[in-house]
Amino acid sequence: EAGVVQSPRYKIIEKKQPVAFWCNPISGHNTLYWYRQNLGQGPELLIRYENEEAVDDSQLPKDRFSAERLKGVDSTLKIQPAELGDSAVYLCASSPFSYEQYFGPGTRLTVT
Amino acid sequence: QKEVEQNSGPLSVPEGAIASLNCTYSDRGSQSFFWYRQYSGKSPELIMFIYSNGDKEDGRFTAQLNKASQYVSLLIRDSQPSDSATYLCAVTATTDSWGKLQFGAGTQVVVTP
Repeated sequence: EAGVVQSPRYKIIEKKQPVAFWCNPISGHNTLYWYRQNLGQGPELLIRYENEEAVDDSQLPKDRFSAERLKGVDSTLKIQPAELGDSAVYLCASSPFSYEQYFGPGTRLTVT
Repeated sequence: QKEVEQNSGPLSVPEGAIASLNCTYSDRGSQSFFWYRQYSGKSPELIMFIYSNGDKEDGRFTAQLNKASQYVSLLIRDSQPSDSATYLCAVTATTDSWGKLQFGAGTQVVVTP
């Protein structure tokens, strides 16, 4: 079974520039999560989707972050404009039901 | 107070010994508990989950849950150098939407040959 796919794996941008991350979940997994992980910390949930619906986006900084999950499969997370503090690893996870989550390889973002 | 607390380590364990990792959580209503392993530069990998009080064994791993004490632990028997990683404890947050996990900061384990 193929795992969660994310791209790009690494991204370096200057502050104030936009950036987008893409995620393809495990086939058949209706629930998709975006997390941010800072160095030395555990992942923190940004947004959770059930099919196309964002059911928990309470921790998404909506002034600069946006996300979408068209057709209930792939998802894109965008930051515009990026700030220095956005440097982190952005992880996508999916689950067949709500608790057992499987993570993709992540995108390491560096904002200079 | 952090919602999920773990000792950051590093926890140094001789090869072949038992590694014991601890996790405490603040949300008394939490129902589900997970242990993830994360190698340096890699993403978290689910290794164990436990929902009921008591022990759950899977190969060399044993998860132990005590909801009254708000405590969950992970034992790694016959530790191998390949077990060297950071172990993340994750707990469901009952005050939030279904499926939201709260992660601890992780415990780094170093298995020495």
